[in-house]
Amino acid sequence: SQELEQSPQSLIVQEGKNLTINCTSSKTLYGLYWYKQKYGEGLIFLMMLQKGGEEKSHEKITAKLDEKKQQSSLHITASQPSHAGIYLCGADISGTYKYIFGTGTRLKVLA
Amino acid sequence: EAGVAQSPRYKIIEKRQSVAFWCNPISGHATLYWYQQILGQGPKLLIQFQNNGVVDDSQLPKDRFSAERLKGVDSTLKIQPAKLEDSAVYLCASSFPGELFFGEGSRLTVL
Repeated sequence: SQELEQSPQSLIVQEGKNLTINCTSSKTLYGLYWYKQKYGEGLIFLMMLQKGGEEKSHEKITAKLDEKKQQSSLHITASQPSHAGIYLCGADISGTYKYIFGTGTRLKVLA
Repeated sequence: EAGVAQSPRYKIIEKRQSVAFWCNPISGHATLYWYQQILGQGPKLLIQFQNNGVVDDSQLPKDRFSAERLKGVDSTLKIQPAKLEDSAVYLCASSFPGELFFGEGSRLTVL
């Protein structure tokens, strides 16, 4: 079974709509990362969350870490075609800086 | 600041041949990771180094994969002999600790 589950697996939204991607862990999260990836390219760092209740924003993307629920959410406000790609959550679930990743959420934004 | 460098970017080989990938992490980053990302999946951790010592290699198929990090800087990942299912992008990442930075990846196609 996957230790980090992402949902939904894929998402198609109309430009301008808001959307949320979730990442849930079966174990305690010691640190959680959000990355964006385009096909055939490397991972682009978006945000890192470490403390329960922490929330960070960058441009129109906001990420929250709910430590009690062992999950994080990534919210995009007023989506644009440039937001399209694969969003990956990665986390340290052992406290040893061993980072594992979810299966990714494929986002398509229709103009 | 220079990022994580990887080479080659692309490699095509026939099954049973060998291949090697090279990674140069960000200067000063003690921890280095190799991930395998199969198309449509999230990155899977193969091996984690702390300086030149192995921290975790539990998911490395040791009968065909090997990795080393001489002098705690550059690292090489080798596959010998390659199988069709090894076709993937091999991602190198480094951290200091905490922030995790990825290279562009090396795309391997095994025919």
